[in-house]
Amino acid sequence: QKEVEQNSGPLSVPEGAIASLNCTYSDRGSQSFFWYRQYSGKSPELIMFIYSNGDKEDGRFTAQLNKASQYVSLLIRDSQPSDSATYLCAVKADSWGKLQFGAGTQVVVTP
Amino acid sequence: DTGVSQDPRHKITKRGQNVTFRCDPISEHNRLYWYRQTLGQGPEFLTYFQNEAQLEKSRLLSDRFSAERPKGSFSTLEIQRTEQGDSAMYLCASSLFVTGELFFGEGSRLTVL
Repeated sequence: QKEVEQNSGPLSVPEGAIASLNCTYSDRGSQSFFWYRQYSGKSPELIMFIYSNGDKEDGRFTAQLNKASQYVSLLIRDSQPSDSATYLCAVKADSWGKLQFGAGTQVVVTP
Repeated sequence: DTGVSQDPRHKITKRGQNVTFRCDPISEHNRLYWYRQTLGQGPEFLTYFQNEAQLEKSRLLSDRFSAERPKGSFSTLEIQRTEQGDSAMYLCASSLFVTGELFFGEGSRLTVL
């Protein structure tokens, strides 16, 4: 059973600080990794994807991938109250695009 | 709005009844996915389609669940003889490429009494 693991949180972050979210996965052959944001009662929304080892930056978000250690992380810089949500890590599970999701990390940004 | 559309958004039913959900994907997307999500959990894969062909069905799906995508456009997910354990958010997503960039609809929340 392929697994995607995340700390459930909640992760409490002061406004303006950096939120750091981690995700580990069990399938060493995984190639594509995704971060989705999900507000309470809403559906997941794609934030970023990353395929190569290293960092990928998009605005206040940075995704980091280390395939050797089988982890992927998401940094949120200058956290805002609007960033309060659950962040889902997802791994592409097959060649057809099926994603396997972690349980999500709840982030709470406090003013 | 050209996003993924799901209907109904909310459904309350009594145990033993049948329910059907509809999903209209983004028009140019040829892949369509159904996921189920319960409180505090990530989305769990149920099934997916490439055009009208159903490529895989999760072991989570009992024989009471059936999904179709006639003509490769909209899709329906039917649950027969609903049970309280079926209560969840049913999410539909679509994608154009195999890269895994899924775009989700707003979901259909099912409550089985």
